[in-house]
Amino acid sequence: GAGVSQTPSNKVTEKGKYVELRCDPISGHTALYWYRQSLGQGPEFLIYFQGTGAADDSGLPNDRFFAVRPEGSVSTLKIQRTERGDSAVYLCASSSGYGRTDTQYFGPGTRLTVL
Amino acid sequence: DAKTTQPTSMDCAEGRAANLPCNHSTISGNEYVYWYRQIHSQGPQYIIHGLKNNETNEMASLIITEDRKSSTLILPHATLRDTAVYYCIVRVVRNYGQNFVFGPGTRLSVLP
Repeated sequence: GAGVSQTPSNKVTEKGKYVELRCDPISGHTALYWYRQSLGQGPEFLIYFQGTGAADDSGLPNDRFFAVRPEGSVSTLKIQRTERGDSAVYLCASSSGYGRTDTQYFGPGTRLTVL
Repeated sequence: DAKTTQPTSMDCAEGRAANLPCNHSTISGNEYVYWYRQIHSQGPQYIIHGLKNNETNEMASLIITEDRKSSTLILPHATLRDTAVYYCIVRVVRNYGQNFVFGPGTRLSVLP
C-alpha cells in the first residue's frame, strides 16, 4: 500500500509569513509524529498524535508552532510568523499506534526555506 | 532517556560486510534498540530493531551484546545503494506514546 506522503515537497516563504505543511499517514495508522531536521543533524521530535489528540507536544519549540489532526488521519503542521531559523526539512511519520515494538514509517519530508 | 554513541563516518568496500557499531551504555531493561537509515534527500527508512536477542531480516542483522550496552548493525553484502546515514536509536517508551531520539548517526560510504 501507499506510504506516508507529505505536501508540498518544497516550500519557500518570506520571514513573517504563515505556512501549513500536510501529512497523509499510512491508512489505518493511529499514531502520527512530526519531526524537524536541520542540515547535517538527525531528526528532532516535535509532536505526537494518538488519534485526534496531541499526546505529546513537548518538542514544539515555541507557540508559533501548532499541529492538528481533526479526523485522526491527515495532519497539518502550522507555523506562524516564520523565522529564518525555521528553515529545515519537516518529516512526518506514522505507526500502528500500539505495541511496544511499534515501528514508525517516515514520509519524504517537506523542505521549508524561510527567506 | 538513554543516549547512543556512533562513529561519525565509516567506509566499506562494495560487496563486503558493513559493521556499524553503536554504544548505548545507559539503556534500561525495557528499551529497544532501533536502526534507521537515511539516504540523501529521503525520509528515514526502518531497518531493524531488537531487545536482547540477535535479529535478522532481509536487510540486515542486529547483534546486541549480552549486557545490552552496545550493538552492531551488519549489512552482509554492502552495495553502493547502501550509502546513507545510519541512526542507532534507543526507543523511549511512555504510557502515551514513544518518540525517537535521533543522534547525528554514522555516515556510511560504500566504495566501488
